Amino acid sequence: DADVTQTPRNRITKTGKRIMLECSQTKGHDRMYWYRQDPGLGLRLIYYSFDVKDINKGEISDGYSVSRQAQAKFSLSLESAIPNQTALYFCATSSFGTGVTGELFFGEGSRLTVL
Amino acid sequence: RKEVEQDPGPFNVPEGATVAFNCTYSNSASQSFFWYRQDCRKEPKLLMSVYSSGNEDGRFTAQLNRASQYISLLIRDSKLSDSATYLCVVSSAGSTLTFGKGTMLLVSP
Repeated sequence: DADVTQTPRNRITKTGKRIMLECSQTKGHDRMYWYRQDPGLGLRLIYYSFDVKDINKGEISDGYSVSRQAQAKFSLSLESAIPNQTALYFCATSSFGTGVTGELFFGEGSRLTVL
Repeated sequence: RKEVEQDPGPFNVPEGATVAFNCTYSNSASQSFFWYRQDCRKEPKLLMSVYSSGNEDGRFTAQLNRASQYISLLIRDSKLSDSATYLCVVSSAGSTLTFGKGTMLLVSP
């Protein structure tokens, strides 16, 4: 089983629908992240959380919200999906400051299409 | 200026070739630097860290020039399995990582 699991792996939805992407991890890491990846734009940070009571906005948080339900779970919500939120979304975890080891552990990604 | 800039490529090289990727970063306060590898339709994975003194891992050599805010990755004796996108990654404020857009490498027989 993967250490970082994302669900759903693929989702097609319509404009205006509420969507939740879920992430769970078995690595025991405190820190969790949501990134989106678009062709030609690379990976961009949406939100991150350093522990259960900590939520921080990333580079592109508008239109998104997150919930850290437990150390192992971090979900990303699109309250009213729009077509430009069509992207590949990655959840990632790290054990402590990424400046120390630089290692983020990514899930396999959730491909979201908003029609 | 983008925080982390890379040549998008693609770099098309034959097996056995040596190829170099370059990356520049804008935040002079960045302390940590890395190369990640991403295979097509897969998640990124850490390839190696980049140290000021330079570091080598088998066929891969990473260099850092803080004065020029420049990072490089050299791959010697390219293999077909090296075909992937290579992401330059730099630490940012708030202990997060900023990713470059990536450089695609295609190694052909």
